Amino acid sequence: NAGVTQTPKFRVLKTGQSMTLLCAQDMNHEYMYWYRQDPGMGLRLIHYSVGEGTTAKGEVPDGYNVSRLKKQNFLLGLESAAPSQTSVYFCASSRTRGEQYFGPGTRLTVT
Amino acid sequence: GIQVEQSPPDLILQEGANSTLRCNFSDSVNNLQWFHQNPWGQLINLFYIPSGTKQNGRLSATTVATERYSLLYISSSQTTDSGVYFCAVIYNTNAGKSTFGDGTTLTVKP
Repeated sequence: NAGVTQTPKFRVLKTGQSMTLLCAQDMNHEYMYWYRQDPGMGLRLIHYSVGEGTTAKGEVPDGYNVSRLKKQNFLLGLESAAPSQTSVYFCASSRTRGEQYFGPGTRLTVT
Repeated sequence: GIQVEQSPPDLILQEGANSTLRCNFSDSVNNLQWFHQNPWGQLINLFYIPSGTKQNGRLSATTVATERYSLLYISSSQTTDSGVYFCAVIYNTNAGKSTFGDGTTLTVKP
């Protein structure tokens, strides 16, 4: 039982490049979340999903897209990366409104 | 959206001391969690506590939902308790929407 895993762990992008971050969970959770954490700050919600095929905007959705084609996976896409998107990205999953479990994070640098 | 405020922002303790961290929230919540982020960045679940009191070893937490606050108690602190403590809430008006506080940075000195 791996819990929540994130791929990749580290990535460096140039401004304007695109990439997709993958989050996978094996706990059969309904809800999944993407957060970003900037230095010295708490986590801010980017997008979330309350079930397969559904997505919704969080607090800071601009510049990101998401997809939840399978219940166990939640993808976060950056179409045209900007230096302001340099951050640590965390994925989480939970049962309906229940306890959230977090992945180890992806450290992204955009130069 | 809901506001979540944590206090104090920073706390420095000697090993063996006790401490209380506070989390205030501005509206009704479905769910409240406390996390510890260790120096390696890993988020560790401490408590899932939308109401009531729970204890786990040297740590305990109390949430008074009607008064919109939660407290995290750390007794006999150890250097390994150092890190950032976050509370996070999921609230009623938007199913699944989650908000974190800015955290309390705890440093425990030997």
